[in-house]
Amino acid sequence: GEDVEQSLFLSVREGDSSVINCTYTDSSSTYLYWYKQEPGAGLQLLTYIFSNMDMKQDQRLTVLLNKKDKHLSLRIADTQTGDSAIYFCAETYGGATNKLIFGTGTLLAVQP
Amino acid sequence: NAGVTQTPKFQVLKTGQSMTLQCAQDMNHEYMSWYRQDPGMGLRLIHYSVGAGITDQGEVPNGYNVSRSTTEDFPLRLLSAAPSQTSVYFCASSYSEYDSPEAFFGQGTRLTVV
Repeated sequence: GEDVEQSLFLSVREGDSSVINCTYTDSSSTYLYWYKQEPGAGLQLLTYIFSNMDMKQDQRLTVLLNKKDKHLSLRIADTQTGDSAIYFCAETYGGATNKLIFGTGTLLAVQP
Repeated sequence: NAGVTQTPKFQVLKTGQSMTLQCAQDMNHEYMSWYRQDPGMGLRLIHYSVGAGITDQGEVPNGYNVSRSTTEDFPLRLLSAAPSQTSVYFCASSYSEYDSPEAFFGQGTRLTVV
């Protein structure tokens, strides 16, 4: 079946850049998403990228998509302690935005 | 706009009890979905809907029912709660348009079955 994989944990120092990686398997995915979840909270949509794009930048966030390798990354510039959270990568299953396949999440810990 | 609203936020059930988790959205989204989040497993799709009157099963539908009588509401029913259904449940909604792919989530319902 379809699968999305992420590393479990990333630790960075405040002010450094963070790069969170994700690999996916569904080559028909139309959109790929990054969500942020703070403790006890819901999922906040950070950004998304259309599958025919290579890169998308949104303020401190840069998303890179390598469709050949099915690899997606999220770079957070000038990481702050408020960025500490779990980050989920998700892909659309067959292009449908109501059927998302999620990774297991990457816990980002930002050290002051 | 309130976005996606889920009630209740917390619930404790006894094994065998039934209950309905409520989800409402005020963005006129055609698509709605229910997911469950378990430790170390990300979110998994339970049921989804493409519009009023139309629902379908996701990856883990057993033990759950849904209906979509209006565009705004998409309740999830647990027929006979089991400890394996202890989880955090998230409702999501999105447009069906190709150029509006944002999927928005509610704050979640934390369910414990004892």
